[in-house]
Amino acid sequence: EVQLVDSGGGLVQPGGSLRLSCAASGFTFSTYDMNWVRQAPGKGLEWVSCITSSGSTVYYADSVKGRFTISRDNAKNSLYLQMNSLRDGDTAVYYCVAQRGTYSWFDPWGQGTLVTVSS
Amino acid sequence: EILMTQSPATLSVSPGERATLSCRASQSVTSSLAWYQQKPGQAPRLLIYGASTRATGIPARFSGSGSGTEFTLTISSLQSEDFAVYYCQQYDNWPPLTFGGGTKVEIK
Repeated sequence: EVQLVDSGGGLVQPGGSLRLSCAASGFTFSTYDMNWVRQAPGKGLEWVSCITSSGSTVYYADSVKGRFTISRDNAKNSLYLQMNSLRDGDTAVYYCVAQRGTYSWFDPWGQGTLVTVSS
Repeated sequence: EILMTQSPATLSVSPGERATLSCRASQSVTSSLAWYQQKPGQAPRLLIYGASTRATGIPARFSGSGSGTEFTLTISSLQSEDFAVYYCQQYDNWPPLTFGGGTKVEIK
């Protein structure tokens, strides 16, 4: 079964840090570009970051550039998102999402992990 | 950045009726357009990619059309499980990858 399992969310104070993880199974993880997409409570979907299959190239939304770092470990079939200098506006469910190639759609999606930034 | 605009924001439809959802791109995205369905408390699910190709396991009542800047998702006969929020996404020109604001299909 193709599956992405997100973890690592929780409550953190403004200015704090959190590391999200995503475990992949059921497909050849190392051949997929991987993304993080977030959804603030009651809002729409916002793309956050992408890392290419080899890990050689990364992209970020302007809203998180300089604060978030995406990485992957193909040997462990895992994706990560290191989030620093967190703000109230970063509160959202974060989804790990696979992308077959650079100009491709998103499938599958993880179940999401909730990050709440609040004092 | 390519802006994706979905309309209407909310669509009230009776079960068995046809639903037509629209998505407009601020510039051409050729056919690099996907549709996703999201139910409350769940992750989005891929419905359509390449503007008109159904993803694996998606019922034939879902169809996509369009190219360039104008796209449509049609649900031919709404079933109870189809009431959800639908998002379009372009993957032609990025970063950033962009989504529409969503259309909520609710029971009339």
